[in-house]
Amino acid sequence: AQTVTQSQPEMSVQEAETVTLSCTYDTSESDYYLFWYKQPPSRQMILVIRQEAYKQQNATENRFSVNFQKAAKSFSLKISDSQLGDAAMYFCAYVRETSGSRLTFGEGTQLTVNP
Amino acid sequence: SQTIHQWPATLVQPVGSPLSLECTVEGTSNPNLYWYRQAAGRGLQLLFYSVGIGQISSEVPQNLSASRPQDRQFILSSKKLLLSDSGFYLCAWTTGFSLYGYTFGSGTRLTVV
Repeated sequence: AQTVTQSQPEMSVQEAETVTLSCTYDTSESDYYLFWYKQPPSRQMILVIRQEAYKQQNATENRFSVNFQKAAKSFSLKISDSQLGDAAMYFCAYVRETSGSRLTFGEGTQLTVNP
Repeated sequence: SQTIHQWPATLVQPVGSPLSLECTVEGTSNPNLYWYRQAAGRGLQLLFYSVGIGQISSEVPQNLSASRPQDRQFILSSKKLLLSDSGFYLCAWTTGFSLYGYTFGSGTRLTVV
């Protein structure tokens, strides 16, 4: 079974600084997708960024980027120029590249942004 | 565009009472639908998923059940709530392709008293 591990229950960063959230996963599949979701205090789940396992190039979305290391099964999220609105719970998630597959989530990292 | 509606937003129910949470998706057909539960602001636990009308798969045996009476409607139910059923329930949908991840509803905060 696939598992997703986020080893940092809590992280904090100063406004305008950069922070990296860690995620590792375990799978025997070669084709899959990885995601980072953000859950602010409203508890709405918001997709931040996604990565296709077959792509070597790391995904980037504005201030958010990932460091995808397929051999190491590592998928970290870097937030640059942190803003107060980035404060949220962040979840790493994995899904196989198969129709109807289920998304598996990590336990989350609570990010605090200090002014 | 596709949207997902989930209601109610908040619910307080006594132990032993029934439960019905509803989720509907607009702007797409034959979506894959999911019910997740999140306890204490931590990870999401998949409860049920459905790839078509009347097709329900359960991930965790418990006091809850799910039904999909229409293509874009997914219902989470219980005949008798337990204290342990309290939590935040999220409905989600996706197309048959995993690339796009899931789109989530706004969630229901259930408190069983």
